Amino acid sequence: GESVGLHLPTLSVQEGDNSIINCAYSNSASDYFIWYKQESGKGPQFIIDIRSNMDKRQGQRVTVLLNKTVKHLSLQIAATQPGDSAVYFCAENKGASSNYQLIWGAGTKLIIKP
Amino acid sequence: KAGVTQTPRYLIKTRGQQVTLSCSPISGHRSVSWYQQTPGQGLQFLFEYFSETQRNKGNFPGRFSGRQFSNSRSEMNVSTLELGDSALYLCASRISGVSYEQYFGPGTRLTVT
Repeated sequence: GESVGLHLPTLSVQEGDNSIINCAYSNSASDYFIWYKQESGKGPQFIIDIRSNMDKRQGQRVTVLLNKTVKHLSLQIAATQPGDSAVYFCAENKGASSNYQLIWGAGTKLIIKP
Repeated sequence: KAGVTQTPRYLIKTRGQQVTLSCSPISGHRSVSWYQQTPGQGLQFLFEYFSETQRNKGNFPGRFSGRQFSNSRSEMNVSTLELGDSALYLCASRISGVSYEQYFGPGTRLTVT
């Protein structure tokens, strides 16, 4: 069915290196995108979000880039740490905030190698 | 401030039974959404409640239902359980109906045998 998809199911990165997780979304009308991190046994944890009127947003060690032309979203994590090991999900909201219904990607497992 | 809490954390039920899961949102949050997470289907939206009213519903059968109380706490119910209902059920809250930022609880792991 309709979905936000991820290109790589597993990504291994050396500790200290930067990582990039990519995501393709399907709906040109989506107005909001969000990245979550899910560690084993826990619920998803908010990382960073971006609205469709922006191309880039930065947080602490993370940057989200939005390319609406090709419907692509990416999450960059700088100077990866062991605690960054988790599954990362992107999600899009197709409707307005009052019609909030996130469509989730399949997830990318990020492995940080010591 | 306490996060989103869900009870119980683990549950084992038999096919045909029904189950009720509970979610307490972050204090002050009025919107509660429920998701089902399985290895095969990933995270799928079930429904959202705001001010005791269901505002959105995903593509799940009528066996899945929910409600929200005046204190914003929410419950979801699954009747006539099937093996395929085995999943992690996640609850998430938002401060309002117009806020995008959503916070998740740890989930309830339901196993149907």
